Amino acid sequence: AQKVTQAQTEISVVEKEDVTLDCVYETRDTTYYLFWYKQPPSGELVFLIRRNSFDEQNEISGRYSWNFQKSTSSFNFTITASQVVDSAVYFCALSDSGYALNFGKGTSLLVTP
Amino acid sequence: NAGVMQNPRHLVRRRGQEARLRCSPVKGHSHVYWYRQLPEEGLKFMVYLQKENIIDESGMPKERFSAEFPKEGPSILRIQQVVRGDSAAYFCASSPNREGYGYTFGSGTRLTVV
Repeated sequence: AQKVTQAQTEISVVEKEDVTLDCVYETRDTTYYLFWYKQPPSGELVFLIRRNSFDEQNEISGRYSWNFQKSTSSFNFTITASQVVDSAVYFCALSDSGYALNFGKGTSLLVTP
Repeated sequence: NAGVMQNPRHLVRRRGQEARLRCSPVKGHSHVYWYRQLPEEGLKFMVYLQKENIIDESGMPKERFSAEFPKEGPSILRIQQVVRGDSAAYFCASSPNREGYGYTFGSGTRLTVV
């Protein structure tokens, strides 16, 4: 069975601090896909990244970076120099099929000025 | 904006009524997925459809819920005889293939059952 754990329910940081959101997953499949989504207060789901299990390269996109480690079954997300607009709920998700995403319960990030 | 369009954004129904939620996928996407976000349970996969076919409905409640994606027109998630526990946000997503590339979500429909 698949499982995604986002142990941090809520995180509060002051603007310009770096923050890392943890994601630990469980799966028996050798081929799987990992995702991160952002859900701002307006409610929509915004795609951030998709990674397959064979690509362990870390990725950086502007202030966002992701660290994928199969050895620890983790796919952590770091926001550098956080901004108020980063305040949102962030979801990590896992899929072995590629189409049915199994979401974690989310981490609520609050960035204060 | 050529993203996934869901309507209505908010829907209020009385217990026992029917709710119909619509989803127009990204132009060119033939794969549609529905998810439900309940307050304490998070986002859960419900169903995967291709044009005129249900591919995987393993997450759909067995009763009162149905989904379709006709050859023409939007995908419809239908909930008959709604109950208070159906109150949730329902998200639709689409992709151009089943491997999940370009998997894009709509803004969701917030269903409130009173």
